[in-house]
Amino acid sequence: NAGVTQTPKFQVLKTGQSMTLQCAQDMNHEYMSWYRQDPGMGLRLIHYSVGAGITDQGEVPNGYNVSRSTTEDFPLRLLSAAPSQTSVYFCASSRDRGLAYEQYFGPGTRLTVT
Amino acid sequence: AQKITQTQPGMFVQEKEAVTLDCTYDTSDPSYGLFWYKQPSSGEMIFLIYQGSYDQQNATEGRYSLNFQKARKSANLVISASQLGDSAMYFCAMRDVDSGTYKYIFGTGTRLKVLA
Repeated sequence: NAGVTQTPKFQVLKTGQSMTLQCAQDMNHEYMSWYRQDPGMGLRLIHYSVGAGITDQGEVPNGYNVSRSTTEDFPLRLLSAAPSQTSVYFCASSRDRGLAYEQYFGPGTRLTVT
Repeated sequence: AQKITQTQPGMFVQEKEAVTLDCTYDTSDPSYGLFWYKQPSSGEMIFLIYQGSYDQQNATEGRYSLNFQKARKSANLVISASQLGDSAMYFCAMRDVDSGTYKYIFGTGTRLKVLA
């Protein structure tokens, strides 16, 4: 099993550009999430999905869109990049809504917006 | 509202000594799970230990144990016999029902440095 994979690992964007961060998992997990990590702020939830076709907003959803057309994939789209979106982005998955299930994280994408 | 608080931005510990990393939480749900993750300088997030709200005993995983005090809403991580490889960022996290969303929330983390 590859676990949770994310591409790209690094990305530099200019203000106003759009892009999609890819996330895939091969564990048949129902629950997937996107976080951003900024210094001193821990991990903040952007969007999450409890299953294919179902997504919802987290704590900091503005400027980001998601979709979940398959169980495996959960891409994150930046609509019009801004310098405030410079961050490290993590995708994570867990088996389902069970409270005992830990999340498995991807390796992260380091995004810089100039 | 859900909240996780880690009040120690940074900690130092001597190699082979034990260290406690603090975590307090707030939730109105009676059912919840508490998690600790380690993030080394390489950046990946590594799951360490889990404690359920109804668990009677404190969780242990090798050198990691979770000091769970439900009445005080605290879930401190204890690392025994610290090793240089334990130097990392540590995050406390909670998952509860939260109106059916089952979201995880994270604290701001504690950076641990193990000294030789």
